Amino acid sequence: EAQVTQNPRYLITVTGKKLTVTCSQNMNHEYMSWYRQDPGLGLRQIYYSMNVEVTDKGDVPEGYKVSRKEKRNFPLILESPSPNQTSLYFCASSLNSLYSNQPQHFGDGTRLSIL
Amino acid sequence: AQKITQTQPGMFVQEKEAVTLDCTYDTSDQSYGLFWYKQPSSGEMIFLIYQGSYDEQNATEGRYSLNFQKARKSANLVISASQLGDSAMYFCAMREGRGGYQKVTFGTGTKLQVIP
Repeated sequence: EAQVTQNPRYLITVTGKKLTVTCSQNMNHEYMSWYRQDPGLGLRQIYYSMNVEVTDKGDVPEGYKVSRKEKRNFPLILESPSPNQTSLYFCASSLNSLYSNQPQHFGDGTRLSIL
Repeated sequence: AQKITQTQPGMFVQEKEAVTLDCTYDTSDQSYGLFWYKQPSSGEMIFLIYQGSYDEQNATEGRYSLNFQKARKSANLVISASQLGDSAMYFCAMREGRGGYQKVTFGTGTKLQVIP
């Protein structure tokens, strides 16, 4: 089954304790992206990757890191989490597109609470 | 300036009626894509419909159609014959860029409630 898998689905942790949210897709997609969703703000793009070893900032990259060492995986790293990073996080993937016409497939989301 | 604007935080529609969810966008790119996604209360993001900047005809997918007015920079979603299962958050999104970069911007969403 074609899917984007995020882990963990839920995490409660404390300020400053490094954490990683994993994202894996089995559709051979080049494009992968991370979003955070906050009430009233919709989804905001954190980082995206056009392909292996190619990453770029989205609209809200501060406090986050990503890496793309393999095509299928795109982990999101919070080196020193803070309470304002409490949010619902989505990973998504799609084929690359010369004409911006590829819809994204989304994971089920990760709900992070930073105390 | 907001790249994607959804001005209706919430809407009600009677079952079996049609409803239009508004979306305006702002970009200087010639090539871009506009998408609508549905997020039910269970939380998953479901792709509904796509419209490309070069498409001359409005996109349709079953009960969903996209009213694309390029000069006005609007891409409104029309849901015909609303069903109770259509109650959800709806997000408009734009994918811009080609080649070396492709950013995606979402609107703040419209919560649709279908009344029996």
